[in-house]
Amino acid sequence: DGGITQSPKYLFRKEGQNVTLSCEQNLNHDAMYWYRQDPGQGLRLIYYSQIVNDFQKGDIAEGYSVSREKKESFPLTVTSAQKNPTAFYLCASSSGTVNTEAFFGQGTRLTVV
Amino acid sequence: KQEVTQIPAALSVPEGENLVLNCSFTDSAIYNLQWFRQDPGKGLTSLLLIQSSQREQTSGRLNASLDKSSGRSTLYIAASQPGDSATYLCAVGAHRGGTYKYIFGTGTRLKVLA
Repeated sequence: DGGITQSPKYLFRKEGQNVTLSCEQNLNHDAMYWYRQDPGQGLRLIYYSQIVNDFQKGDIAEGYSVSREKKESFPLTVTSAQKNPTAFYLCASSSGTVNTEAFFGQGTRLTVV
Repeated sequence: KQEVTQIPAALSVPEGENLVLNCSFTDSAIYNLQWFRQDPGKGLTSLLLIQSSQREQTSGRLNASLDKSSGRSTLYIAASQPGDSATYLCAVGAHRGGTYKYIFGTGTRLKVLA
């Protein structure tokens, strides 16, 4: 089955810790994205990558970091510098060209304890 | 700056009713518009993608229209069912900051009552 897999589904972090959220796709897509979703707000773009070994900051990149060493993988690290990390995180991918459909994973809910 | 708005924020309808969800955007320079469904605690499921050159797309009981000149899209759901209860999001695909991106609305939370 082709798709996007995010893991874990739920993640708990102590204050001051870094945590990494996994996102893997087997759709052979060039572009991958990380979004954050908070109640009552639309999805906000954290980072995106149009091609392997290249990525760009989105609208709310502070306190986050990413890597894109493989086409199918785009992990997101939430660092201790992110002051309000509790949220629902969504990973997406697309073929990268215009007029293409975006596909999403099932999300990771991160809670700071 | 492209802004995407969805009104109403929430909607309750009795089963069987036909309904329309609205999405508006401020900049008509878009490549496409996509409608998604999101169930509580889940990811987004793509429903329909309308290219900028198209006026509408249909899938089963769903029909989405696009009017670029007025900055509007509608999602029509025919003969609504309780299983249609979810949050519906629209997103425009556009160039912003030199790169192709998706910009999302805040969604309409739909409840279909049995």
